Amino acid sequence: SYILTQPPSVSVSPGQAASITCSGDKLGDRYACWYQQKPGQSPVLVIYQDTKRPSGIPERFSGSNSGNTATLTISGTQAMDEADYYCQAWDSTTVVFGGGTKLTVL
Amino acid sequence: QVQLVESGGGVVQPGGSLRLSCAASRFTFSNYAMHWVRQAPGKGLEWVSSIRYDGNNKYYPESVQGRFTISRDNSKNTLYLQMNSLRPEDTAMYYCAKETGFGLFDWGQGTLVTVSS
Repeated sequence: SYILTQPPSVSVSPGQAASITCSGDKLGDRYACWYQQKPGQSPVLVIYQDTKRPSGIPERFSGSNSGNTATLTISGTQAMDEADYYCQAWDSTTVVFGGGTKLTVL
Repeated sequence: QVQLVESGGGVVQPGGSLRLSCAASRFTFSNYAMHWVRQAPGKGLEWVSSIRYDGNNKYYPESVQGRFTISRDNSKNTLYLQMNSLRPEDTAMYYCAKETGFGLFDWGQGTLVTVSS
């Protein structure tokens, strides 16, 4: 089965850029998505098809995907961005999630 | 704005069954593939099942294959998940989600399933 690997945690200072990686075999050949989940809330899609932002998602969220790694970048990170982030891709007809990364803004 | 409302969760004994529902509104339900995703307490997201827009294709991971059945009633704008032979490790919040363009764009608030004796 296909596996996506994320770092368990990432820390960033307010106003700085945060990068969260997601690794998988030839991940760049597939579309990657990213979800944000705050405590007690449902996940929210922040990036789809590698680089696209759904309406309402701030421009500071961006994505890339090449080779074996997809990356979510949050520029000018704000305190409100503190959350868990999950990458996701398709393995044929099945959906695969990464293990999640806790982003701490301190 | 898309609305997805899950129901049917509760406490069930190991080996028992439960049927979850997801009522969809404010979009053309019959045009979209739908998914169930779960999250065990304090854990990450796990995909549980998906169904194509017309109900003709259904997909499951090995962890629930043969025990869970996804279905939909497009005339009622409702998605279902029949869960049989439940195990303690099935304890989780269960979310339904709408797929658009290779992403799960919209999620419900979830319904909690607890499998315990």
